[in-house]
Amino acid sequence: AQTVTQSQPEMSVQEAETVTLSCTYDTSESDYYLFWYKQPPSRQMILVIRQEAYKQQNATENRFSVNFQKAAKSFSLKISDSQLGDAAMYFCAPQGGSEKLVFGKGTKLTVNP
Amino acid sequence: DVKVTQSSRYLVKRTGEKVFLECVQDMDHENMFWYRQDPGLGLRLIYFSYDVKMKEKGDIPEGYSVSREKKERFSLILESASTNQTSMYLCASSMSDGQGASEGYTFGSGTRLTVV
Repeated sequence: AQTVTQSQPEMSVQEAETVTLSCTYDTSESDYYLFWYKQPPSRQMILVIRQEAYKQQNATENRFSVNFQKAAKSFSLKISDSQLGDAAMYFCAPQGGSEKLVFGKGTKLTVNP
Repeated sequence: DVKVTQSSRYLVKRTGEKVFLECVQDMDHENMFWYRQDPGLGLRLIYFSYDVKMKEKGDIPEGYSVSREKKERFSLILESASTNQTSMYLCASSMSDGQGASEGYTFGSGTRLTVV
């Protein structure tokens, strides 16, 4: 990917509710990987979920799932049953050629009790 | 537990000083990266390395250099620190498996550098 757009600088959700974070990107590749990372206030970047572009099935990891639309170059993250510990910055990161990832500017998620 | 360790969590340096940010990984990863993170700008790639003694410029290399003398260590050098280099610096590593960044990166916990 050359450019990554996360159009929501900030989002908020009520505890136990569902929220979707959007991400679109531009790429000329056909096979690549896409990732969502979470960065809590501790600053440690944590891998949330990984998607292989050649797989049509959307990846899921417990309460986290993606909606991957390859033709539309869209890769959104859905968080179900939101918890207070989900509050963080979330970064979308498609593969940017070879071994590199390209990161979006991030979405700050607030979880309200 | 796999780890990427950045030597300093917080650092304060004076304008004009030569600054070294150190990053060590214990996963035998081939690839190592230095990013800079600023509010509203996300993560921007400064330099990366695919192998020992090998380096390539990222998107914002100006004012920085790097050194990779050993596989596990990747150093970022600010030759003459300036106030506009005040930022969060993140180091990351990844394995090279012939499929690109298939497993993503493992990140260090970051160094917040302030240049005064």
